[in-house]
Amino acid sequence: GNSVTQMEGPVTLSEEAFLTINCTYTATGYPSLFWYVQYPGEGLQLLLKATKADDKGSNKGFEATYRKETTSFHLEKGSVQVSDSAVYFCALPDSAGGTSYGKLTFGQGTILTVHP
Amino acid sequence: DGGITQSPKYLFRKEGQNVTLSCEQNLNHDAMYWYRQDPGQGLRLIYYSQIVNDFQKGDIAEGYSVSREKKESFPLTVTSAQKNPTAFYLCASSIPGRVNQPQHFGDGTRLSIL
Repeated sequence: GNSVTQMEGPVTLSEEAFLTINCTYTATGYPSLFWYVQYPGEGLQLLLKATKADDKGSNKGFEATYRKETTSFHLEKGSVQVSDSAVYFCALPDSAGGTSYGKLTFGQGTILTVHP
Repeated sequence: DGGITQSPKYLFRKEGQNVTLSCEQNLNHDAMYWYRQDPGQGLRLIYYSQIVNDFQKGDIAEGYSVSREKKESFPLTVTSAQKNPTAFYLCASSIPGRVNQPQHFGDGTRLSIL
């Protein structure tokens, strides 16, 4: 089945630093790819997504590009803020033949802490 | 606004007791899911349901049970057979059969042992 390997954390940065969280995947076909964010004590929120190769998803200053050749979907932000402190999850659907069974496979999550 | 409501936010279980976590959605999604999240770990799938009156076990179903009598509701019961129930439980929903659709999550229920 599909799988995802996510950069281990925790990651600690100073405000305005550049952020990269690595995510690589193995999958049958070319599934959509997602980044979710989880703020302390809350559920997961969809941060961004990409549906095909070379697509760039973006939201709230975060970006990730769907790289088919390297099977990667790394999350980046040029200048992080204290409010970006959260856990970030890379995910992709369990899909076969173009039909999603609805299930998602999640990475282990990367804890990001941003200091003032 | 449409969304997923989980209740209660905090729940305490006594030894030998069954407890039920509520999950309600008004997104008109057919599929619903329950995940367990332990500190510092990712999400593990407990049960999922793609349609009313049907559900399947996920990766860690032992000690849990679910029902899906209505499209909007997917309650999870943590039974006394689950010996280590302390965790954060997340409910999600999605539109099945469409590859590009993400899952939408509730705000979770934190279950602890008394």
